[in-house]
Amino acid sequence: LAKTTQPISMDSYEGQEVNITCSHNNIATNDYITWYQQFPSQGPRFIIQGYKTKVTNEVASLFIPADRKSSTLSLPRVSLSDTAVYYCLVGERDSNYQLIWGAGTKLIIKP
Amino acid sequence: EAGVTQFPSHSVIEKGQTVTLRCDPISGHDNLYWYRRVMGKEIKFLLHFVKESKQDESGMPNNRFLAERTGGTYSTLKVQPAELEDSGVYFCASSLFESGTEAFFGQGTRLTVV
Repeated sequence: LAKTTQPISMDSYEGQEVNITCSHNNIATNDYITWYQQFPSQGPRFIIQGYKTKVTNEVASLFIPADRKSSTLSLPRVSLSDTAVYYCLVGERDSNYQLIWGAGTKLIIKP
Repeated sequence: EAGVTQFPSHSVIEKGQTVTLRCDPISGHDNLYWYRRVMGKEIKFLLHFVKESKQDESGMPNNRFLAERTGGTYSTLKVQPAELEDSGVYFCASSLFESGTEAFFGQGTRLTVV
């Protein structure tokens, strides 16, 4: 299973767009990229999943370049409530539950 | 709609004792997963149920851990006897898809073994 590398922490301000980049140089052909969000004392929450190019939902956008060796989670107009840990995971969609969880990126939003 | 619920939210037990964690998945989700984060480390997969059957238990650390899902509804994870290194947060998740895509997680049970 591919390993991912993310920033340990980031901070930004309310109303800004935040981009969190994840590196996955060893991504395999069948691997998908999945992002989760976790608030303190809660379980992770699925945000978005993609394979290539761009995926957008009501929460975020996921940008994946052609070589798929990295991906960027984009959170538009963040608020204080977006302060959380964000995890980037890579693995086969058929066995998504076995994804390797890294340390994630701790995002702190300031007023 | 109720999400995944776990009980208890916290448990403090002495080394050698037994603890049973419970998970109620989202109604209709046949797939149920257990994960844990031991102190200072990453979240790791423990096992996967499809209904009442263990589909994959490759992540179970040793035979002190026993997971059951009788009737294919709620699941229990028993640790017997508990050791100090079992301390951590145990998460349960459920999903419609067997792959685990878009899994919904519970709030976790924080287990402390002293």
